[in-house]
Amino acid sequence: GESVGLHLPTLSVQEGDNSIINCAYSNSASDYFIWYKQESGKGPQFIIDIRSNMDKRQGQRVTVLLNKTVKHLSLQIAATQPGDSAVYFCGTARDKIIFGKGTRLHILP
Amino acid sequence: KAGVTQTPRYLIKTRGQQVTLSCSPISGHRSVSWYQQTPGQGLQFLFEYFSETQRNKGNFPGRFSGRQFSNSRSEMNVSTLELGDSALYLCASSLRTGLGNEQFFGPGTRLTVL
Repeated sequence: GESVGLHLPTLSVQEGDNSIINCAYSNSASDYFIWYKQESGKGPQFIIDIRSNMDKRQGQRVTVLLNKTVKHLSLQIAATQPGDSAVYFCGTARDKIIFGKGTRLHILP
Repeated sequence: KAGVTQTPRYLIKTRGQQVTLSCSPISGHRSVSWYQQTPGQGLQFLFEYFSETQRNKGNFPGRFSGRQFSNSRSEMNVSTLELGDSALYLCASSLRTGLGNEQFFGPGTRLTVL
């Protein structure tokens, strides 16, 4: 069946550095991709999404890169701040969203 | 504008019982989706309702059901509870159905089955 996997369950990054969170998916028919952030005790919060007709999309301090050839998705966070500490989920969809299990981002002072 | 609210926030049940969880979407939002979140399986889609109709369904057994009312509020029900149903149940609302419509999540209901 379809699967979405994150490469690392945990990622530690120095404050001020850039963070890169990776995600691999299995369904080549997926045409919608999304990233969510979940802080402790809260529900997931939308960060950014991208359609399959694009390979890059930028938001505020975040960039999503999509490589359909190798079925890989990444989230880049520029100048990581303490408030970025959370679990990050990628999701892919054809008609409904399949999520990965999440990468916990730790910010080191 | 108030966010998505879910009640109750915490619930403890025993095996074999049934449970009903409630979700009130953001005012004006007509689509409500439900997700189950566990440490082992992550975030899994249960179903989506739009205009009181189920539009999409995940791969969960028939013990999991839901409905949506005319005011867009939604409930999900789990019958004959099993230990493995212990999870955080999240509700998300969006203006319309379909991918690309940003979903806003509630804080979730933490269900513990003993």
